[in-house]
Order: sequence, then structure tokens, then C-alpha cells
Amino acid sequence: SQQGEEDPQALSIQEGENATMNCSYKTSINNLQWYRQNSGRGLVHLILIRSNEREKHSGRLRVTLDTSKKSSSLLITASRAADTASYFCAKDKGAQKLVFGQGTRLTINP
Amino acid sequence: KAGVTQTPRYLIKTRGQQVTLSCSPISGHRSVSWYQQTPGQGLQFLFEYFSETQRNKGNFPGRFSGRQFSNSRSEMNVSTLELGDSALYLCASVAGEYNEQFFGPGTRLTVL
Repeated sequence: SQQGEEDPQALSIQEGENATMNCSYKTSINNLQWYRQNSGRGLVHLILIRSNEREKHSGRLRVTLDTSKKSSSLLITASRAADTASYFCAKDKGAQKLVFGQGTRLTINP
Repeated sequence: KAGVTQTPRYLIKTRGQQVTLSCSPISGHRSVSWYQQTPGQGLQFLFEYFSETQRNKGNFPGRFSGRQFSNSRSEMNVSTLELGDSALYLCASVAGEYNEQFFGPGTRLTVL
């Protein structure tokens, strides 16, 4: 089973709009990593945010982490058709093992 | 740097057979993790190797095994295949003190 939920399960927006995905978890983490997966292919590493960090940016991506609420969010600004993919958050709770959520399926409509 | 490579990319097997999948991590990375992805269970951790030693194992039956060689390349083996073993098997090359994991393209296994 997978710990933590991702919300929403699916998101459909117009090109150019911003997309926000959320991830929650139940027990403490060392860090949280966000990944993108295109149509059953490998996972692409997007951002790692450590437990003592609150926000990180990478290009059009912004990740926040609120350890008091045990939640994280991924914001994609100015979305493009190429951003269509599934996005996963993965909780690192030690022991070199990541625990993945179910993912958010993002569709960008032209 | 070259990324993580996995071979083969696609495999079709029948029930009862066994299969071996291979993963070469990013040069210089010594830790490799394996995950299984299915539509029903999502992404699940199989095991992790570091310097030829299995350090952690997920909740999978003993039919799933692996090993790592001195050059950090890793293999996983599934014996006595079942229909439910049909999945995308992903290997990750693990970097640094923060356990940052970089994934290969996966091996798509279909069991008939």
C-alpha cells in the first residue's frame, strides 16, 4: 500500500494556466521528491525538498513543504502541452526507500 | 553523464518461466533501487543494493530476487512468473546523502 495521498487524482487545464498538485503524508520524512512520468515510461526527477526546507524552485516549477501539516504542493506555472503527464510525490523516510503516492494525472489542453 | 540504462525494454514471458532484468546506474553511483509499477498497486519498492549488498527489501515474495555486481550494475530475477507479475519494473540510481533517485526507462514485462 502507499502512504500519503495525492490530490487531485486528475487535473485538466488550459495551456498557459497554472497547475497545482498536492501531496500529504502521515509520518515524518527525511525529504520529499517529485517526479514526472509520461505515459508508462520512466520517472523523471523534478525536485527534491528536504524536511528543513519550505520552498524550492526549478524553472516553472515551485515546490512547497509544510511539515506541520505534513503536506507538499507542486505548482507548474504557464503550463504547456508538453507538461501533460502523471506527477508523483515520493516520501523518503529512510532506508533508501521511497514511498510513492498514487499520482496526479495532468492534462494540458491546447 | 549517461543516465540509468535498463535492458531489455520489453519482455513477454509465459506463466512459470523466469526472467532476469538488468540495470546499469549512473557512473559513480553505488546504490541501486528497484520498483514495480502496476495500475492497481502503483509504485512499490522491491529492494535496494549498495556495494553488492542488499540493504533493504520490500514486501514481495521470495520469487523476486536481485543482486549487484562490483561495477554497480544490478540484476533482478523473478522466478515462476505469475500473471500478476506483469508490470513496469523501474530501476533507480541513488545519489548523495539525500537519497535522490534517478530512474531508468523501465522494463515492461508482460506475462501471458
